[in-house]
Amino acid sequence: AQSVTQLDSQVPVFEEAPVELRCNYSSSVSVYLFWYVQYPNQGLQLLLKYLSGSTLVESINGFEAEFNKSQTSFHLRKPSVHISDTAEYFCAVTLNTGFQKLVFGTGTRLLVSP
Amino acid sequence: NAGVMQNPRHLVRRRGQEARLRCSPMKGHSHVYWYRQLPEEGLKFMVYLQKENIIDESGMPKERFSAEFPKEGPSILRIQQVVRGDSAAYFCASSPPGTIPEAFFGQGTRLTVV
Repeated sequence: AQSVTQLDSQVPVFEEAPVELRCNYSSSVSVYLFWYVQYPNQGLQLLLKYLSGSTLVESINGFEAEFNKSQTSFHLRKPSVHISDTAEYFCAVTLNTGFQKLVFGTGTRLLVSP
Repeated sequence: NAGVMQNPRHLVRRRGQEARLRCSPMKGHSHVYWYRQLPEEGLKFMVYLQKENIIDESGMPKERFSAEFPKEGPSILRIQQVVRGDSAAYFCASSPPGTIPEAFFGQGTRLTVV
């Protein structure tokens, strides 16, 4: 079975500062990895995903995540955050044998202050 | 192409009543997933359906909960004799046929049991 750990439940940061949201996973088989973002009272939106190939993946709004197989991590980073990045961020995995259910971490609330 | 549509967005039920949550997947998507998000927790997988078939219901409570995805019409998550502990946000996601590893989420139904 797969599991995902997001150790930081909340990360406060000032606007324009860099941020890293941590994600570690556990699986005995290869997985696909995802980051989703949830704004208040909204559904989840896919931010970025790692399927194969380059271990560094980027989103259109400046986030990036790096897959590290040896450390079983998929940390999310942004060099300079905006107030509008305030949201809940979820890391998730699924088996790479065919998309089925997602296993989510408990989420990290990013709070960006001016 | 409309996104995943869930209705109602908010649902209030008294203890003992039935709750019916609807999910219309994106056009062309034949796979539907239901997740539950309890307050301050991540999303937990409940059930994975394809048209007229339940593929994986390992996350469904054994009693009072059922799901269907008929040949025509939306997917329905049904909760009978609701209790206060059923209060949560219920999210539906859909994905296209094949092995494209991506799911698109609806905005959720927030169920409150009073």
